[in-house]
Amino acid sequence: ETGVTQTPRHLVMGMTNKKSLKCEQHLGHNAMYWYKQSAKKPLELMFVYNFKEQTENNSVPSRFSPECPNSSHLFLHLHTLQPEDSALYLCASSQGAGGPGDTQYFGPGTRLTVL
Amino acid sequence: QQQVKQSPQSLIVQKGGIPIINCAYENTAFDYFPWYQQFPGKGPALLIAIRPDVSEKKEGRFTISFNKSAKQFSLHIMDSQPGDSATYFCAASYSNYQLIWGAGTKLIIKP
Repeated sequence: ETGVTQTPRHLVMGMTNKKSLKCEQHLGHNAMYWYKQSAKKPLELMFVYNFKEQTENNSVPSRFSPECPNSSHLFLHLHTLQPEDSALYLCASSQGAGGPGDTQYFGPGTRLTVL
Repeated sequence: QQQVKQSPQSLIVQKGGIPIINCAYENTAFDYFPWYQQFPGKGPALLIAIRPDVSEKKEGRFTISFNKSAKQFSLHIMDSQPGDSATYFCAASYSNYQLIWGAGTKLIIKP
């Protein structure tokens, strides 16, 4: 595997379910990100991890819980989601943790549908 | 202040035409302006980026034009091809802050 991989690619869950999204980067980067992508809206940054430490949490509801066990893996644990949480969830990685020139490399995303 | 406004929302151009996508910002501290390209089923990928010390940057058929005084920047695609059909996002950042993204433009190049 190369680049950034995400599993599953598609997920349908009920509002009372608990599920997890997984992201793995094979680029040797130090920072990893979770984004939410909704149609016709800017990408919403959710969480940033740099060297396994969370450096940003953009007022994300507690029903989203990130976990970064090492610099290569990132999880997003989901519980008691709402239908408005349905979106494409993108994982990205970069060498640094932001700033000019710090290119982010994205995975293909997990398409989440909350019923 | 932290927004990046992108237009148009969608754009249809004939093959060989020059689609132009525009972005505007308010925060004069922004000093890095990338464009990302996203194909269906894929994540965004960096296409081209510019710093405010230059007014234009070309990479192949893709050109960024930057107008610092107007606080605007735009993406031009020369000799557009059906394979350029994708969603394009502009973004901006400064210092150690994260990227601020535009809402995206869905571009369709008709054969």
